[in-house]
Amino acid sequence: QKEVEQNSGPLSVPEGAIASLNCTYSDRVSQSFFWYRQYSGKSPELIMSIYSNGDKEDGRFTAQLNKASQYVSLLIRDSQPSDSATYLCAALSGYALNFGKGTSLLVTP
Amino acid sequence: SAVISQKPSRDICQRGTSLTIQCQVDSQVTMMFWYRQQPGQSLTLIATANQGSEATYESGFVIDKFPISRPNLTFSTLTVSNMSPEDSSIYLCSGGQAQETQYFGPGTRLLVL
Repeated sequence: QKEVEQNSGPLSVPEGAIASLNCTYSDRVSQSFFWYRQYSGKSPELIMSIYSNGDKEDGRFTAQLNKASQYVSLLIRDSQPSDSATYLCAALSGYALNFGKGTSLLVTP
Repeated sequence: SAVISQKPSRDICQRGTSLTIQCQVDSQVTMMFWYRQQPGQSLTLIATANQGSEATYESGFVIDKFPISRPNLTFSTLTVSNMSPEDSSIYLCSGGQAQETQYFGPGTRLLVL
């Protein structure tokens, strides 16, 4: 079974700190990985994609991928209270996205 | 990007009835998908909506229970048939030019009594 695992949290960080969100996946065939943000009562919003080993930066967000370890992470620098949400990790297996259960992030003022 | 709308946004239905959810995309997209998100859970793919042909269902989901139509590249419907309380969930439509770039609709919140 192709699984994407995330710590459900909640992860609590103070405003201005770095939030680190982690994800592991079981399907070695997966080549594409995604981070979605989902506010309570809202639909998921794509914030980052990563396809190659290493880091990919976009503003305050950095995605990291290590295919050998089957590990994906998302760093949020200078965390803001507006970043408080559930972050879903997803891996593309074939044509379908497999989602983790999400990590709840709380950024406290 | 694609902007996706869904109707209805929410509904309360009686056991044994059926509900059809509509998904409209503001531009032509190659891929459209239907997901379910149960309370406190992540998204589970129900099926891929194929334009002009039968949908491709994931394990655990069948056409009789979740018939899907996709008459063109901007529109799809999902019907939840013969509903039971276990079908209470959020149903999400997504679309994009490729599997890698999926945009989600706002979801339909369904409560079955």
